[in-house]
Amino acid sequence: AQTVTQSQPEMSVQEAETVTLSCTYDTSESDYYLFWYKQPPSRQMILVIRQEAYKQQNATENRFSVNFQKAAKSFSLKISDSQLGDAAMYFCAYRRTRSNYKLTFGKGTLLTVNP
Amino acid sequence: NAGVTQTPKFQVLKTGQSMTLQCAQDMNHEYMSWYRQDPGMGLRLIHYSVGAGITDQGEVPNGYNVSRSTTEDFPLRLLSAAPSQTSVYFCASSYSEMNTEAFFGQGTRLTVV
Repeated sequence: AQTVTQSQPEMSVQEAETVTLSCTYDTSESDYYLFWYKQPPSRQMILVIRQEAYKQQNATENRFSVNFQKAAKSFSLKISDSQLGDAAMYFCAYRRTRSNYKLTFGKGTLLTVNP
Repeated sequence: NAGVTQTPKFQVLKTGQSMTLQCAQDMNHEYMSWYRQDPGMGLRLIHYSVGAGITDQGEVPNGYNVSRSTTEDFPLRLLSAAPSQTSVYFCASSYSEMNTEAFFGQGTRLTVV
């Protein structure tokens, strides 16, 4: 069974600084997708960024980027120029290819942004 | 385009009561899923459906029933509510193509007393 581990229950960052959230996963599959979701106090799950395992290039979305290390099964999220609106719970998630109905989530990292 | 709609947003039940959490999507997605979110546990898959008339169990199915009679709707039934089912419930849907993402509803906060 696949597992996703987020070892940092809580993180904090100063506004305008950079923070990295860690995620490791375990799978025997070679084709899969990895995601970072943001959950603000509104509860809405918002997709921040995704990475296809077959792509060597790390995904980037504006201030958000990932460091995908397939051999190490590591998938960290870097948030640059942190903003107050980035404060939220962040979940790392995994799914196998062709299994859109089944996401496996980590336990989450609560990010606080200090002004 | 409403996306994924969950009702109700909040609910309080007494132990032993039954209820149905509703989930509807208007995107013609084949796949639909129910997750529960508990503090310190992330989201865990309860049941899922890959099309009308087809459902299967996820990681934590006990105490819950589902059916999928139409593409649009995927209700989650609690047969006899227990305090352990106090949680936030999310419904999600997606297309079956592998390069597509799940859309989530806004969640239902359920408290069983």
